[in-house]
Amino acid sequence: QKEVEQNSGPLSVPEGAIASLNCTYSDRGSQSFFWYRQYSGKSPELIMSIYSNGDKEDGRFTAQLNKASQYVSLLIRDSQPSDSATYLCAVTFSGSARQLTFGSGTQLTVLP
Amino acid sequence: ETGVTQTPRHLVMGMTNKKSLKCEQHLGHNAMYWYKQSAKKPLELMFVYNFKEQTENNSVPSRFSPECPNSSHLFLHLHTLQPEDSALYLCASSQSGGTSGWDTQYFGPGTRLTVL
Repeated sequence: QKEVEQNSGPLSVPEGAIASLNCTYSDRGSQSFFWYRQYSGKSPELIMSIYSNGDKEDGRFTAQLNKASQYVSLLIRDSQPSDSATYLCAVTFSGSARQLTFGSGTQLTVLP
Repeated sequence: ETGVTQTPRHLVMGMTNKKSLKCEQHLGHNAMYWYKQSAKKPLELMFVYNFKEQTENNSVPSRFSPECPNSSHLFLHLHTLQPEDSALYLCASSQSGGTSGWDTQYFGPGTRLTVL
């Protein structure tokens, strides 16, 4: 069974710190990886997509992909209280270009 | 309107009612999706439509019936639902064959459904 695993948290970090969110996936042939942010009562909002091994940076966010180890991570630098949300990892497994499989999400709290 | 819109935003219905959820995307995408999000559970994909054709049906009970009249509109018809069907129902859209070669999905605000 194709799975995406995340620590449910909650993860608490102080304001200004780096928040590190991790995700592992079961299918070695997976090709595309996404991080979504979901505020309580709201819909998921795309933060980052990553397709190649290595790092991808966008503002305060950095996605890191290691296909050999089958994990993808999201780093949030200079964390702000407004970053407090649930972060969802999503993976497109091989052979299913349009079917995203989501992890259960990691709840992040940034303490002022 | 921009992005992906959904109506209604909230819906309360009895188990014998029939209702419909509506989704409209203003992004020019060619694929649309229905997801269910229950408390403490991962997002569950229900249906996928590509160019108005249903390409995925993830073992969804027949009391949920999708309809996609064109690439911009998607409906989810509901009848004889159960209390355990109470959840947030999310619509998403994507453009297949984008520059990355893989779809990036954009979500609507969702419909919060309560079945009494």
